[in-house]
Amino acid sequence: AQTVTQSQPEMSVQEAETVTLSCTYDTSESDYYLFWYKQPPSRQMILVIRQEAYKQQNATENRFSVNFQKAAKSFSLKISDSQLGDAAMYFCAYRNTASKLTFGTGTRLQVTL
Amino acid sequence: GAVVSQHPSWVICKSGTSVKIECRSLDFQATTMFWYRQFPKQSLMLMATSNEGSKATYEQGVEKDKFLINHASLTLSTLTVTSAHPEDSSFYICSATGGARGNEQFFGPGTRLTVL
Repeated sequence: AQTVTQSQPEMSVQEAETVTLSCTYDTSESDYYLFWYKQPPSRQMILVIRQEAYKQQNATENRFSVNFQKAAKSFSLKISDSQLGDAAMYFCAYRNTASKLTFGTGTRLQVTL
Repeated sequence: GAVVSQHPSWVICKSGTSVKIECRSLDFQATTMFWYRQFPKQSLMLMATSNEGSKATYEQGVEKDKFLINHASLTLSTLTVTSAHPEDSSFYICSATGGARGNEQFFGPGTRLTVL
Protein backbone atom coordinates (compact mmCIF):
# COMPACT_ATOMS: atom_id res chain seq x y z
CA ALA A 1 0.00 0.00 0.00
CA GLN A 2 1.10 3.50 -0.70
CA THR A 3 1.82 5.93 2.11
CA VAL A 4 2.28 9.69 2.02
CA THR A 5 4.09 11.50 4.82
CA GLN A 6 4.05 15.18 5.58
CA SER A 7 6.36 15.81 8.49
CA GLN A 8 5.48 19.46 9.02
CA PRO A 9 2.11 19.87 10.80
CA GLU A 10 2.42 23.65 10.67
CA MET A 11 4.51 26.17 8.80
CA SER A 12 4.63 29.94 8.86
CA VAL A 13 5.88 32.37 6.25
CA GLN A 14 5.96 36.11 5.97
CA GLU A 15 4.13 37.76 3.15
CA ALA A 16 6.26 38.00 -0.02
CA GLU A 17 8.71 35.39 1.27
CA THR A 18 9.26 31.83 0.06
CA VAL A 19 8.28 28.65 1.89
CA THR A 20 8.81 24.98 1.12
CA LEU A 21 6.47 22.23 2.26
CA SER A 22 7.85 18.71 2.46
CA CYS A 23 6.32 15.44 1.37
CA THR A 24 7.65 11.93 1.04
CA TYR A 25 5.87 8.87 -0.21
CA ASP A 26 6.38 5.17 -0.46
CA THR A 27 5.35 3.04 -3.41
CA SER A 28 6.47 0.06 -5.41
CA GLU A 29 4.78 1.30 -8.57
CA SER A 30 6.64 3.03 -11.38
CA ASP A 31 3.69 4.84 -12.95
CA TYR A 32 1.89 7.32 -10.72
CA TYR A 33 0.97 10.95 -10.19
CA LEU A 34 1.67 13.30 -7.33
CA PHE A 35 -0.40 16.29 -6.33
CA TRP A 36 -0.51 19.19 -3.96
CA TYR A 37 -3.99 20.27 -2.90
CA LYS A 38 -4.96 23.36 -0.97
CA GLN A 39 -7.87 23.31 1.46
CA PRO A 40 -8.85 26.78 2.67
CA PRO A 41 -11.29 27.31 5.56
CA SER A 42 -14.17 26.76 3.13
CA ARG A 43 -12.99 23.10 2.98
CA GLN A 44 -13.12 23.08 -0.84
CA MET A 45 -10.21 21.05 -2.18
CA ILE A 46 -8.27 23.03 -4.77
CA LEU A 47 -5.63 21.47 -7.01
CA VAL A 48 -2.42 23.46 -6.76
CA ILE A 49 -0.04 21.46 -8.91
CA ARG A 50 0.48 17.97 -10.30
CA GLN A 51 3.50 15.94 -11.35
CA GLU A 52 3.63 12.86 -13.53
CA ALA A 53 6.20 10.39 -12.24
CA TYR A 54 7.56 9.69 -15.72
CA LYS A 55 8.44 13.36 -16.23
CA GLN A 56 11.84 14.43 -14.98
CA GLN A 57 11.07 18.11 -15.29
CA ASN A 58 9.63 19.67 -12.16
CA ALA A 59 6.13 21.09 -12.54
CA THR A 60 5.55 24.83 -12.16
CA GLU A 61 2.33 26.81 -11.87
CA ASN A 62 2.94 30.53 -11.47
CA ARG A 63 4.24 31.02 -7.90
CA PHE A 64 4.06 27.31 -7.12
CA SER A 65 6.73 24.82 -8.06
CA VAL A 66 7.76 21.36 -6.98
CA ASN A 67 11.02 19.58 -6.37
CA PHE A 68 10.38 16.01 -7.45
CA GLN A 69 13.08 13.54 -6.49
CA LYS A 70 11.84 10.18 -7.75
CA ALA A 71 14.68 8.07 -6.39
CA ALA A 72 14.32 9.62 -2.97
CA LYS A 73 10.51 9.52 -3.22
CA SER A 74 10.33 13.14 -2.26
CA PHE A 75 7.89 15.75 -3.57
CA SER A 76 8.19 19.19 -1.98
CA LEU A 77 6.15 22.29 -2.80
CA LYS A 78 7.72 25.72 -3.00
CA ILE A 79 5.52 28.78 -2.74
CA SER A 80 7.22 31.97 -3.85
CA ASP A 81 6.10 35.52 -3.06
CA SER A 82 3.65 34.21 -0.47
CA GLN A 83 0.33 35.97 -0.23
CA LEU A 84 -2.25 36.14 2.55
CA GLY A 85 -4.57 34.08 0.38
CA ASP A 86 -2.11 31.21 0.43
CA ALA A 87 -2.95 30.52 4.06
CA ALA A 88 -4.62 27.12 4.12
CA MET A 89 -4.13 23.46 4.77
CA TYR A 90 -1.94 21.83 2.12
CA PHE A 91 -2.19 18.14 1.35
CA CYS A 92 0.28 16.11 -0.64
CA ALA A 93 -1.39 13.25 -2.50
CA TYR A 94 -0.39 10.18 -4.47
CA ARG A 95 -2.50 8.68 -7.22
CA ASN A 96 -1.99 5.24 -8.63
CA THR A 97 -3.05 3.92 -12.00
CA ALA A 98 -6.42 2.94 -10.56
CA SER A 99 -7.04 6.62 -9.84
CA LYS A 100 -7.19 6.15 -6.07
CA LEU A 101 -5.82 9.12 -4.16
CA THR A 102 -3.85 8.71 -0.94
CA PHE A 103 -3.42 11.89 1.05
CA GLY A 104 -0.79 12.94 3.53
CA THR A 105 -1.73 14.30 6.93
CA GLY A 106 -1.47 17.89 5.79
CA THR A 107 0.52 21.01 6.61
CA ARG A 108 -1.20 24.10 7.90
CA LEU A 109 0.39 27.17 6.36
CA GLN A 110 0.13 30.52 8.07
CA VAL A 111 1.04 33.70 6.24
CA THR A 112 1.99 36.67 8.38
CA LEU A 113 2.33 40.33 7.54
CA GLY B 1 -15.67 23.49 -16.31
CA ALA B 2 -15.38 20.34 -14.18
CA VAL B 3 -17.78 21.41 -11.47
CA VAL B 4 -18.93 19.00 -8.80
CA SER B 5 -21.71 19.89 -6.39
CA GLN B 6 -22.87 18.33 -3.17
CA HIS B 7 -26.18 18.59 -1.43
CA PRO B 8 -26.82 19.38 1.30
CA SER B 9 -23.83 21.45 2.38
CA TRP B 10 -24.64 20.69 5.98
CA VAL B 11 -27.15 18.51 7.78
CA ILE B 12 -28.09 17.86 11.39
CA CYS B 13 -30.01 14.72 12.24
CA LYS B 14 -31.07 12.68 15.22
CA SER B 15 -29.32 9.50 16.20
CA GLY B 16 -30.88 6.47 14.52
CA THR B 17 -32.08 8.27 11.42
CA SER B 18 -30.69 7.96 7.89
CA VAL B 19 -29.19 10.77 5.88
CA LYS B 20 -28.64 10.96 2.12
CA ILE B 21 -25.91 13.08 0.56
CA GLU B 22 -25.90 13.77 -3.17
CA CYS B 23 -22.87 14.34 -5.37
CA ARG B 24 -23.40 15.67 -8.89
CA SER B 25 -21.06 16.36 -11.76
CA LEU B 26 -22.55 19.42 -13.42
CA ASP B 27 -20.69 19.68 -16.70
CA PHE B 28 -19.18 16.29 -17.40
CA GLN B 29 -20.08 12.64 -17.22
CA ALA B 30 -18.54 11.05 -14.18
CA THR B 31 -17.81 7.41 -14.80
CA THR B 32 -16.18 7.13 -11.39
CA MET B 33 -16.97 8.90 -8.14
CA PHE B 34 -15.11 8.72 -4.86
CA TRP B 35 -16.37 9.34 -1.34
CA TYR B 36 -14.05 10.62 1.36
CA ARG B 37 -14.45 11.31 5.04
CA GLN B 38 -12.54 14.01 6.87
CA PHE B 39 -12.49 14.37 10.64
CA PRO B 40 -11.59 17.76 12.15
CA LYS B 41 -7.97 18.68 11.60
CA GLN B 42 -7.31 15.41 9.84
CA SER B 43 -6.72 14.26 6.31
CA LEU B 44 -9.16 12.88 3.77
CA MET B 45 -9.73 9.16 4.01
CA LEU B 46 -11.16 7.32 1.04
CA MET B 47 -14.31 5.44 1.96
CA ALA B 48 -15.36 3.95 -1.35
CA THR B 49 -15.10 4.11 -5.11
CA SER B 50 -18.21 3.89 -7.25
CA ASN B 51 -18.45 3.28 -10.96
CA GLU B 52 -21.62 4.12 -12.80
CA GLY B 53 -23.97 1.19 -12.96
CA SER B 54 -22.00 -1.12 -10.70
CA LYS B 55 -21.59 -1.77 -7.00
CA ALA B 56 -19.26 0.43 -5.02
CA THR B 57 -15.90 -0.82 -3.84
CA TYR B 58 -15.38 -0.07 -0.17
CA GLU B 59 -12.06 0.50 1.56
CA GLN B 60 -11.02 -1.77 4.36
CA GLY B 61 -12.79 -0.94 7.60
CA VAL B 62 -15.71 0.89 5.99
CA GLU B 63 -19.07 -0.72 6.72
CA LYS B 64 -20.88 -1.16 3.42
CA ASP B 65 -24.21 -1.71 5.15
CA LYS B 66 -23.88 1.54 7.03
CA PHE B 67 -22.63 3.70 4.18
CA LEU B 68 -24.77 2.89 1.16
CA ILE B 69 -23.46 4.22 -2.11
CA ASN B 70 -25.44 4.40 -5.32
CA HIS B 71 -24.11 5.61 -8.67
CA ALA B 72 -27.11 5.13 -10.90
CA SER B 73 -26.28 7.75 -13.51
CA LEU B 74 -23.23 9.40 -15.02
CA THR B 75 -23.91 12.62 -13.14
CA LEU B 76 -25.16 11.50 -9.74
CA SER B 77 -23.86 9.45 -6.86
CA THR B 78 -25.46 9.27 -3.45
CA LEU B 79 -24.11 8.33 -0.04
CA THR B 80 -26.66 7.27 2.55
CA VAL B 81 -25.57 7.05 6.15
CA THR B 82 -27.96 4.57 7.70
CA SER B 83 -28.90 4.57 11.38
CA ALA B 84 -26.55 7.45 12.00
CA HIS B 85 -24.81 7.82 15.34
CA PRO B 86 -22.80 10.70 16.82
CA GLU B 87 -19.54 9.02 15.81
CA ASP B 88 -20.64 9.32 12.18
CA SER B 89 -20.48 13.10 12.50
CA SER B 90 -17.86 14.23 10.03
CA PHE B 91 -17.19 16.11 6.82
CA TYR B 92 -17.98 14.04 3.74
CA ILE B 93 -16.41 14.96 0.41
CA CYS B 94 -17.02 13.46 -3.00
CA SER B 95 -14.91 13.67 -6.12
CA ALA B 96 -15.58 12.68 -9.69
CA THR B 97 -13.62 11.68 -12.77
CA GLY B 98 -14.62 10.78 -16.27
CA GLY B 99 -15.07 11.58 -19.90
CA ALA B 100 -12.72 14.05 -21.48
CA ARG B 101 -11.48 14.91 -17.99
CA GLY B 102 -9.61 11.63 -17.92
CA ASN B 103 -8.82 10.41 -14.42
CA GLU B 104 -8.32 13.85 -12.87
CA GLN B 105 -10.41 14.04 -9.71
CA PHE B 106 -12.63 17.07 -9.22
CA PHE B 107 -13.90 17.66 -5.72
CA GLY B 108 -17.26 18.72 -4.40
CA PRO B 109 -17.49 21.35 -1.67
CA GLY B 110 -18.27 18.78 1.01
CA THR B 111 -21.13 18.06 3.39
CA ARG B 112 -20.91 18.52 7.12
CA LEU B 113 -22.94 15.91 8.98
CA THR B 114 -23.77 16.37 12.64
CA VAL B 115 -25.59 13.57 14.41
CA LEU B 116 -27.16 14.52 17.72
